[in-house]
Amino acid sequence: KNQVEQSPQSLIILEGKNCTLQCNYTVSPFSNLRWYKQDTGRGPVSLTIMTFSENTKSNGRYTATLDADTKQSSLHITASQLSDSASYICVVSDGSNYQLIWGAGTKLIIKP
Amino acid sequence: GAVVSQHPSWVICKSGTSVKIECRSLDFQATTMFWYRQFPKQSLMLMATSNEGSKATYEQGVEKDKFLINHASLTLSTLTVTSAHPEDSSFYICSARASLNTEAFFGQGTRLTVV
Repeated sequence: KNQVEQSPQSLIILEGKNCTLQCNYTVSPFSNLRWYKQDTGRGPVSLTIMTFSENTKSNGRYTATLDADTKQSSLHITASQLSDSASYICVVSDGSNYQLIWGAGTKLIIKP
Repeated sequence: GAVVSQHPSWVICKSGTSVKIECRSLDFQATTMFWYRQFPKQSLMLMATSNEGSKATYEQGVEKDKFLINHASLTLSTLTVTSAHPEDSSFYICSARASLNTEAFFGQGTRLTVV
């Protein structure tokens, strides 16, 4: 069964600190993996999208990694800011029908 | 990135009435649009997938007669919640993509409250 699991469920860190969010998936065949940021009461916004051959992709202070062999991805946030408080969702695209398989998200709270 | 506009951003309606939510792709033609529902502290749940000019495909457990989806053009899809009840109160989000395996862009969501 295609699944995407994220950890931790929630995370609280101090402003300025770094953090890493994890995503494990069992989707097969694999097409791509996306990380979205969703502010409360808003639609998701794409941070990165990675295909099978990409190991690392950065978007400002956000760096995503992908290990297609172990089917794991991480999202690293550097020098966190209060505006980083949001839910971060890992989404994997099924390569057979391009259906998006959603993780439950990690709720990140940045405290001053 | 491409822009998907969803309207209204919030709506309050009386129980038993119907509510229509619009989703527009502003700068690209969307062959496929998706409708999601999100309850508090939960992730997005796909309700249905609609392809322009054809009937929507609903996920298991989603009543197609209650959640009417129309994708009449390449830039507009609508979701109508018919005979809304308080349990339909939720955050509804649409997304649109130009073609298979291209980026799906999301609307800003619609907060529906049924009183």
